[in-house]
Amino acid sequence: EPEVTQTPSHQVTQMGQEVILRCVPISNHLYFYWYRQILGQKVEFLVSFYNNEISEKSEIFDDQFSVERPDGSNFTLKIRSTKLEDSAMYFCASRPDTYEQYFGPGTRLTVT
Amino acid sequence: QQQVKQSPQSLIVQKGGISIINCAYENTAFDYFPWYQQFPGKGPALLIAIRPDVSEKKEGRFTISFNKSAKQFSLHIMDSQPGDSATYFCAEFYNQGGKLIFGQGTELSVKP
Repeated sequence: EPEVTQTPSHQVTQMGQEVILRCVPISNHLYFYWYRQILGQKVEFLVSFYNNEISEKSEIFDDQFSVERPDGSNFTLKIRSTKLEDSAMYFCASRPDTYEQYFGPGTRLTVT
Repeated sequence: QQQVKQSPQSLIVQKGGISIINCAYENTAFDYFPWYQQFPGKGPALLIAIRPDVSEKKEGRFTISFNKSAKQFSLHIMDSQPGDSATYFCAEFYNQGGKLIFGQGTELSVKP
C-alpha cells in the first residue's frame, strides 16, 4: 500500500541553523501539506501546496519557513534560522482529489 | 479562528467496553469530518470519516455519529481492545485549501 515517507526521522540542530525536512508524498496525490505537533499537543496546520504554489499558510508559517517541490516526487520544508520553539514533530501529508489525507511518520526536530 | 473542541482529554475503558469521544465544531464551512488514530512516535492514521449529509457511519468496531444541528460528532469504539490504546483526534476538513483543523486529542487506555 502506498505511503507517505519522511526523512530524516530525527534531526538535531543548533539554534539559528537552517534545516530541510524532506517528504515523498504518495505518487498520484495532488495536494500536499505540512503540519507540526509540539509534544503532547494537537496537530497544527502549517501550509498547503497545490499546483506548485502555496494555497494557504497559517500564522505559524512566517518568513523563516518555505516549501518547495523541486521535482515530481519530493516535497520539502525549510526552516531558515531555527528557534528553540521550532522543536516539534513535523508531519507531511498528501491527498488525491478527494478528502482523505494521509500522513507520513514524521520528523522529530530538536533545536538546542 | 476555527476551533474544534474535543472531550474527554483522557479516557480509561475496560477491555470489551465502549469508548466514546466527542467533538464540537463551530464553522459550518466544514464538510468532511475524519477521525485519526495516533500511536506514540507515529504519524496520525486515518481511521474513519463522515460527510455531514449522513448521521452515522460504521466500519467494523468504529462508528461515527453526526449531529448537524448540534454541530457535534462522536466516535464510538465498540468492544474496545488493548490494541486500541492510542491518542484519537477528531478533525474538520476546511474546504478552502483542504487543511485539517484538529481537536486537542483524547488519550485512550484500554485495560485488559
